[in-house]
Amino acid sequence: GEDVEQSLFLSVREGDSSVINCTYTDSSSTYLYWYKQEPGAGLQLLTYIFSNMDMKQDQRLTVLLNKKDKHLSLRIADTQTGDSAIYFCAERVTDKLIFGTGTRLQVFP
Amino acid sequence: DTGVSQDPRHKITKRGQNVTFRCDPISEHNRLYWYRQTLGQGPEFLTYFQNEAQLEKSRLLSDRFSAERPKGSFSTLEIQRTEQGDSAMYLCASSLDGTGNGYTFGSGTRLTVV
Repeated sequence: GEDVEQSLFLSVREGDSSVINCTYTDSSSTYLYWYKQEPGAGLQLLTYIFSNMDMKQDQRLTVLLNKKDKHLSLRIADTQTGDSAIYFCAERVTDKLIFGTGTRLQVFP
Repeated sequence: DTGVSQDPRHKITKRGQNVTFRCDPISEHNRLYWYRQTLGQGPEFLTYFQNEAQLEKSRLLSDRFSAERPKGSFSTLEIQRTEQGDSAMYLCASSLDGTGNGYTFGSGTRLTVV
């Protein structure tokens, strides 16, 4: 079946690294995505990784994929207050995205 | 092209009324998706189109819901006889077939049924 799980909440101090974790169930996923959603706004694509990759780095963002354990993580280096938002993990199954419930990241000074 | 546009941004309607939302995708994108997001949840897939063909519908899409993409460009999502449980954010996204680099989402239409 298709199921994506995330922890609900993460709180970090400004300047520290944040790590948001996600597990998924469908081994046929081709791509995995991280989206950011700020209050009252739509979803902003942050980064994505192809399922045959282990890691992808994009400026402050690092995505790690453990395909054996079906585990995906997003690391944000030097977290800023502007990073406060809800982060969604999503897997692409056939032609649609299946989203997790989102992790609310709160950054405090 | 400024991205995916959705109209209206907000809609308040009385229970039992019909509502229609519009989505204008990125012009070169041939795929268009509708999602629904309720408070505290991630977006849930409703349906998607490739050009004008509706290729998949979720079981969440009851017979009160209908989506069209008549010319393969903009799409409409209509909800008939709205119920309070239909209150949600309705998100539209578009993508280019065959690419993996994500789906571009619009800002959504927030529906409140009173």
